[in-house]
Amino acid sequence: RKEVEQDPGPFNVPEGATVAFNCTYSNSASQSFFWYRQDCRKEPKLLMSVYSSGNEDGRFTAQLNRASQYISLLIRDSKLSDSATYLCVVNIRGYQKVTFGTGTKLQVIP
Amino acid sequence: DAGVIQSPRHEVTEMGQEVTLRCKPISGHNSLFWYRQTMMRGLELLIYFNNNVPIDDSGMPEDRFSAKMPNASFSTLKIQPSEPRDSAVYFCASSFWGVPAGETQYFGPGTRLLVL
Repeated sequence: RKEVEQDPGPFNVPEGATVAFNCTYSNSASQSFFWYRQDCRKEPKLLMSVYSSGNEDGRFTAQLNRASQYISLLIRDSKLSDSATYLCVVNIRGYQKVTFGTGTKLQVIP
Repeated sequence: DAGVIQSPRHEVTEMGQEVTLRCKPISGHNSLFWYRQTMMRGLELLIYFNNNVPIDDSGMPEDRFSAKMPNASFSTLKIQPSEPRDSAVYFCASSFWGVPAGETQYFGPGTRLLVL
């Protein structure tokens, strides 16, 4: 089983829709979680960190479910500019490395 | 403030040639990462430096790959000899404290490598 797994998509949604992605991780010692966004032919950029209590930034909400070992990203009122690939990132306690998921592609359609 | 700088941005070479990729991290950052991204395998960590010292090179695919960080402001990733399967986008990233702190990483624009 992969350390970090994501549905590759693509998720094709109309403007204004709400869309959610999940990312599962296999190691229960995972400690830190992040969502990165990567536009086509660009570098990944941090979208938001994922805290145990969940966090929200405008239209974006990230949540962590330790019992089921997954993190989620919810995007409300989708914009065309949200079209990108969303990468989840997991850091395992005691291991000096982070693991990126392969990403979920989102396409917001006019 | 300048972000992570990588050069060259594009490289086309022939199989068997040596390729050197360069990275300048953000000033003041203590950790530097080299990644490779392909459609098939996604983003893979190749090697991670902390305070110029290689900490984890378990992702380096084979002896053809080597990385150095002679000082806090410069790192190289070398492939010798290059092979077509090395074709990918190579990203360099830096962070202030590094992986144990689970810190944000700042990525450079990447080097697109094509080995013919």
